[in-house]
Amino acid sequence: QVQLVQSGAEVKKPGASVKVSCKASGYTFTSYGISWVRQAPGQGLEWMGWISAYNGNTNYAQKLQGRVTMTTDTSTSTAYMELRSLRSDDTAVYYCARPSSRGGNYFDYWGQGTLVTVSS
Amino acid sequence: AIRITQSPSSLSASTGDRVTITCRASQGISSYLAWYQQKPGKAPKLLIYAASTLQSGVPSRFSGSGSGTDFTLTISCLQSEDFATYYCQQYYSYPLTFGGGTKVEIK
Repeated sequence: QVQLVQSGAEVKKPGASVKVSCKASGYTFTSYGISWVRQAPGQGLEWMGWISAYNGNTNYAQKLQGRVTMTTDTSTSTAYMELRSLRSDDTAVYYCARPSSRGGNYFDYWGQGTLVTVSS
Repeated sequence: AIRITQSPSSLSASTGDRVTITCRASQGISSYLAWYQQKPGKAPKLLIYAASTLQSGVPSRFSGSGSGTDFTLTISCLQSEDFATYYCQQYYSYPLTFGGGTKVEIK
């Protein structure tokens, strides 16, 4: 069965960087992309960007351009999301999500979420 | 970016009620709309894709309709396990965008 397992919670100071991992299993990793979606406390869902696990192509949300980098390691079927120059409003639960096998960019598999807290 | 306006932001309902949530896109998105349910502390769960296609395993009391700019999620007979927050998402174009969410609470 498809599983996306994320790394554990992080506490960072403003200005620092965080790197969240998402280990995939139960499917051919390079056949799908991975999107990252975040959710600030009590707020809605925000799409951050997408990476192709096949060729590493990326598409980032404009507001995060320059601060976010998404990568993959095909040898371990793991996707990574690094966010730099952290601010207090980056405090959120970060999810990785896999798009549907039917070809649409909606998500039928999600990681369990990683809470990133940015606080001095 | 395509803006998705979801309404209402919250509603109170009783078990057995019929509930309707709407999403309006700022431009036409054909049927490229999905609906998710999210419970506290959990990842979103896909309910409906392509505006009206029920995801496998989702109860038939959930239904979706619409195309173009206006979409609806209906829960025909609310059950206790349906109290949650619901989000729509357009996947017509990047950046992918979500509605602001609708919290369905117990009356």
